[in-house]
Amino acid sequence: GAGVSQSPSNKVTEKGKDVELRCDPISGHTALYWYRQSLGQGLEFLIYFQGNSAPDKSGLPSDRFSAERTGGSVSTLTIQRTQQEDSAVYLCASSLGGLVGETQYFGPGTRLLVL
Amino acid sequence: AQSVAQPEDQVNVAEGNPLTVKCTYSVSGNPYLFWYVQYPNRGLQFLLKYITGDNLVKGSYGFEAEFNKSQTSFHLKKPSALVSDSALYFCAVRDNAGNMLTFGGGTRLMVKP
Repeated sequence: GAGVSQSPSNKVTEKGKDVELRCDPISGHTALYWYRQSLGQGLEFLIYFQGNSAPDKSGLPSDRFSAERTGGSVSTLTIQRTQQEDSAVYLCASSLGGLVGETQYFGPGTRLLVL
Repeated sequence: AQSVAQPEDQVNVAEGNPLTVKCTYSVSGNPYLFWYVQYPNRGLQFLLKYITGDNLVKGSYGFEAEFNKSQTSFHLKKPSALVSDSALYFCAVRDNAGNMLTFGGGTRLMVKP
C-alpha cells in the first residue's frame, strides 16, 4: 500500500516569498502531523490534525506558518514571507486514529532552502 | 514537559559486532517510546516501540530495545551489526499529555566492514 507522500521533494525559494508544502497521508489515517528537521533544532513538532477537531498548533514557530487539512485527508503547510532560518526538511506523518501508542508513519519530506 | 536524550552523536562498530544506541527519557506519566531510523535524504522509518508489557521489544531488521523504568532508558540493540545498518537513529517519546512525538537529537551509527 502507499505510504505518506509529500510534494515537492525539494523547494528553493527567495527570502520573502510564500511557499506551500503538500502532504498526502496514508489512506484511512485520521491523524496527521507536521514536523520540521533542521541542523540547529533537530526534529520539532509543528502542528497536529485529528479528524474534525481543532488542530493543535502549539508547535508553530511564528504566525508566518499555517496549515490546513481539507476533507480530512490532504494537508498543506504554508510559510509566508519566508526567512533563511525557515530552511529545513519538513516532514509529514500520519497515524490511524491519533491515539498515544500508535505508530506515526513519515513521508520522505520536503527539503526547503530559502536563499 | 517530556524530553529525550541521546548522549552519543556517533557510534562506531565493526560489522558482526553487537551494537547499542543509547536513549534516556523524561515524561510526567507513562512513557510511550519509539525508535526510528533515517537513511540519507529519506524520511523516518519506524523500527519498534514500547507501549506496555514485556520490557524487551523486538522490531524490524533484527533490532530490539529494552525498556528500563528505573533508569528511564530505552536503548536500541542488535546482536550483530551490518554495514547496511549505518544510518541516523532517533529515539522518541510521547505521553498522554501531548499530541506529538518528542525526539532526541539523533545518533549516527557507522558500521565498518
